Amino acid sequence: ETGVTQTPRHLVMGMTNKKSLKCEQHLGHNAMYWYKQSAKKPLELMFVYSLEERVENNSVPSRFSPECPNSSHLFLHLHTLQPEDSALYLCASSPGQGASGYTFGSGTRLTVV
Amino acid sequence: GQNIDQPTEMTATEGAIVQINCTYQTSGFNGLFWYQQHAGEAPTFLSYNVLDGLEEKGRFSSFLSRSKGYSYLLLKELQMKDSASYLCAVAPGGGNKLTFGTGTQLKVEL
Repeated sequence: ETGVTQTPRHLVMGMTNKKSLKCEQHLGHNAMYWYKQSAKKPLELMFVYSLEERVENNSVPSRFSPECPNSSHLFLHLHTLQPEDSALYLCASSPGQGASGYTFGSGTRLTVV
Repeated sequence: GQNIDQPTEMTATEGAIVQINCTYQTSGFNGLFWYQQHAGEAPTFLSYNVLDGLEEKGRFSSFLSRSKGYSYLLLKELQMKDSASYLCAVAPGGGNKLTFGTGTQLKVEL
């Protein structure tokens, strides 16, 4: 148990479906992140939330929509995805200010068909 | 811009020592992290360097040279379970986001 829990672990969805990824942290951290991990590529930062406020949106297509209802929960809502969106989606949290390491969840392996 | 380079793959023998290098060019610097990621699992924290020099933690050590934009992760007495991807990440300065390299896939053989 890493302290950051992601569900589901695996997801297969069609291009017309709507689904949501969920992330929950029990570490009392103030910042939460969504990263996309594709084969042979660096982790790509998608969104950053600090104290429930979105502080960064890294030019992510609008078919990805984040939501942070409180400091412990983070969602990524998905709709009308493309096959190239298939990847491992990692959630992470950190204490907040300054350079501090992340605690990652195990990720959701998403396949868009 | 941000640029972090590390080798894509390395192979080493059980019981040996392996060094994984990472070079970086970032607009600021507030520390360098190494993470280990086994297939299908979460990346886990290994080390953090913010000052020049060597940080040792058991079988793992990490070195940083800020003037050269260079770090390495040293793994001693390799075990089969050390087969994993090793991610180098830099905190560019300001805020708390990390920029990652592509990861080095290490394979430990008998």
